[in-house]
Amino acid sequence: EAGVAQSPRYKIIEKRQSVAFWCNPISGHATLYWYQQILGQGPKLLIQFQNNGVVDDSQLPKDRFSAERLKGVDSTLKIQPAKLEDSAVYLCASSLRGAPETQYFGPGTRLLVL
Amino acid sequence: GQQLNQSPQSMFIQEGEDVSMNCTSSSIFNTWLWYKQDPGEGPVLLIALYKAGELTSNGRLTAQFGITRKDSFLNISASIPSDVGIYFCAGANYGGSQGNLIFGKGTKLSVKP
Repeated sequence: EAGVAQSPRYKIIEKRQSVAFWCNPISGHATLYWYQQILGQGPKLLIQFQNNGVVDDSQLPKDRFSAERLKGVDSTLKIQPAKLEDSAVYLCASSLRGAPETQYFGPGTRLLVL
Repeated sequence: GQQLNQSPQSMFIQEGEDVSMNCTSSSIFNTWLWYKQDPGEGPVLLIALYKAGELTSNGRLTAQFGITRKDSFLNISASIPSDVGIYFCAGANYGGSQGNLIFGKGTKLSVKP
């Protein structure tokens, strides 16, 4: 079974530029999550989707971050405009039924904002 | 956002030694999870705990769900070089289809061969 796929794996941009990340969850997984992991910290949930609907986006900085999951499969996370403090690894995870222990994480996209 | 207190932050151990780490929270959880993250990869689930006092093993790993539901412990016995990595605890209050994970800051484990 293929795991969670993410691209790109690395991205370097300058502040105030825009960037987008892509995630393809495990086939059949209805729940999809985006996490932000700053260096030296654990992952922090940004947004959770159930199919193509948003379940929780309480920690998403909505003035600059947006996410969508059209057709309930792939998802994109966008940052516009980026700030220095957005430098982090962005992890995507998916889950079959939403239970915490059933989340599978992708390898992440490492973003560096200069 | 809320994060759990995980200790120690890092540790160096001799191969073959046992390792202990713990995680505490100001809030109670009904689920505790332990993950390992290797460089350039996402976290991988090691052990899941669902009940206060529960003790669960996965090979050389043993984890416990604290009685107060505010803490959890992970032990690794007879460590080997491939145990190197960052170990994260995570707590959740799972209900229905929701149960967001709250992660600790991690314990970085380095093993001297």
